[in-house]
Amino acid sequence: DIQMTQSPSSLSASVGDRVTITCRASQTIATYLNWYQQKPGKAPKLLIYGASSFQSGVPSRFSGRGSGTDFTLTISSLQPEDFATYSCQQSYSTPWTFGQGTKVENK
Amino acid sequence: QVQLQESGPRLVKPSETLSLNCSVSGGSVSSDTYYWSWIRQPPGKRLEWMAYIYDSRRTNYNPSLMSRLTISIDTSKNQFSVNLRSVTAADTAIYYCAVGVGSPLFDYWGQGTLVTVSS
Repeated sequence: DIQMTQSPSSLSASVGDRVTITCRASQTIATYLNWYQQKPGKAPKLLIYGASSFQSGVPSRFSGRGSGTDFTLTISSLQPEDFATYSCQQSYSTPWTFGQGTKVENK
Repeated sequence: QVQLQESGPRLVKPSETLSLNCSVSGGSVSSDTYYWSWIRQPPGKRLEWMAYIYDSRRTNYNPSLMSRLTISIDTSKNQFSVNLRSVTAADTAIYYCAVGVGSPLFDYWGQGTLVTVSS
């Protein structure tokens, strides 16, 4: 199985901050990397697929980069509704696997 | 837009079978456009993909669960289902159904249902 490791596991930030989350795959996955946002008690929501493509309706302050084994999700200016847990997921090969999540908390 | 809703028992006894259904609206389970998946999340742990089915009968299972897991489609009810046999406390989790439109992503999700394995 491809192992997905995110860093940090949690971070504290303020509205307006630039936030970057890293995801590393245990082997190359090209750009088969997706990002999800999950709020407490809610299902995950697809934000970015193919490492850098936006799902419909996702604000432009979110961006994704990377290929191979190293990927980032950046929120350019954190908004109140962005406090949530973010998880990466590889769709390169089954079994599809997720990172452990990064919780973005209000400082 | 496809909408999904999980249903099934919230409490299952150890060694028994966990059975969940996912009712679909806004799309047909028999269409080859959609990849229908089950995903679970144990309390405090990461999401775990379980299986998907597409084109009515083509399946792909997580090897860690394959020996205990069956995913299926019921076209008459426009729903898809999962059966997980011989459950233990380690199977306690929020279970989600999800769908990929045109590709095996998770574009839309059900709200999730917490299933507890306990006697």
